[in-house]
Amino acid sequence: DTEVTQTPKHLVMGMTNKKSLKCEQHMGHRAMYWYKQKAKKPPELMFVYSYEKLSINESVPSRFSPECPNSSLLNLHLHALQPEDSALYLCASRKYNSPLHFGNGTRLTVT
Amino acid sequence: GEDVEQSLFLSVREGDSSVINCTYTDSSSTYLYWYKQEPGAGLQLLTYIFSNMDMKQDQRLTVLLNKKDKHLSLRIADTQTGDSAIYFCAERRMDSSYKLIFGSGTRLLVRP
Repeated sequence: DTEVTQTPKHLVMGMTNKKSLKCEQHMGHRAMYWYKQKAKKPPELMFVYSYEKLSINESVPSRFSPECPNSSLLNLHLHALQPEDSALYLCASRKYNSPLHFGNGTRLTVT
Repeated sequence: GEDVEQSLFLSVREGDSSVINCTYTDSSSTYLYWYKQEPGAGLQLLTYIFSNMDMKQDQRLTVLLNKKDKHLSLRIADTQTGDSAIYFCAERRMDSSYKLIFGSGTRLLVRP
């Protein structure tokens, strides 16, 4: 299995909703990442988990809450989002000293 | 500064070569990457080069690295319509955080 799988592919949520994005990989990668990508822009790093511990938080607002329950799974919990949070959310993973492998993303729309 | 710079748009005819350019910022960057993004999809790793190399070839792709000028290029030989996408270069900074700094992306349009 050489894929990073993200679910759902699309998500529409209201500003008062709570939802979660999920990411899974079975490549034995021990570093997992969340990126946010707005239209026609490069991806922006949000969080990095290394060996299931949060190692980087790029000053992301607390309405985004990451979780790494085990080495194969990465979640992003969403609560009280704003319309400007609408974007493509990309998960990525890597093994030591190797390139990042990206999933196909979740297209999030906040109404 | 923090910026990795790319030209925004490139249009080529099918069968021609495409050259996408990138200038990066940190002379101590260890790896430099090229990713491809098709509409509605994630980023697909195309190739990467270690900073002690000046060229890498992989089938239709050739990466050239000029460390003195901090310039990276991706040449696609015999460009096909399926190569139409956005291409991002990215540098990995020489620190322990393994952060990738992405360029703004170059949209490649291949005309039949």
